[in-house]
Amino acid sequence: DSGVTQTPKHLITATGQRVTLRCSPRSGDLSVYWYQQSLDQGLQFLIQYYNGEERAKGNILERFSAQQFPDLHSELNLSSLELGDSALYFCASSVKTGPPLFSNTEAFFGQGTRLTVV
Amino acid sequence: TQLLEQSPQFLSIQEGENLTVYCNSSSVFSSLQWYRQEPGEGPVLLVTVVTGGEVKKLKRLTFQFGDARKDSSLHITAAQPGDTGLYLCAGATKAAGNKLTFGGGTRVLVKP
Repeated sequence: DSGVTQTPKHLITATGQRVTLRCSPRSGDLSVYWYQQSLDQGLQFLIQYYNGEERAKGNILERFSAQQFPDLHSELNLSSLELGDSALYFCASSVKTGPPLFSNTEAFFGQGTRLTVV
Repeated sequence: TQLLEQSPQFLSIQEGENLTVYCNSSSVFSSLQWYRQEPGEGPVLLVTVVTGGEVKKLKRLTFQFGDARKDSSLHITAAQPGDTGLYLCAGATKAAGNKLTFGGGTRVLVKP
């Protein structure tokens, strides 16, 4: 058990709909990452939050948005869903102390949310 | 842009054989991690290397970080079917705010 909790585990929805994926990081971790993994593909970085603020953005579509709340849990919102959005969405958390004190980053992943758009 | 390239993309070997997976980049990383992912699960951290030239061993797995901290390798000795999975390397740089960037992965299949 990584200590990172993602809900729901599975989600089936129709095209055009909007869904929210939730992530609770490990206790004390300040940073949350969201990744998308399509079938047989690697992990595509979407977005990173650190202590409530957006820290880095990857290949995240404009239809997608995320936020990190004061209690450090994070939500990824996916709207106007398309068939191609079907994928595994992973959340990872890291960092018990903030920059510039740390020099390495180890990420601990949740079990993922499998999104199927039909 | 930090680009991590892994090779090979796919490796199929017999139980008992050795294998090596490579992770290369033109960027210098402050740290590099290796993860293993099984189907339907999240990646699980295997090791972190931070010093150029560093070698770490985890049972039958040997991880090496290049002297220039731009590349890494994972060597598995006497592979077992339980080693089957997707192996991912990931690097972070301070310049990029320690955003973790993943390679495309190497899918390893160890046949009994």
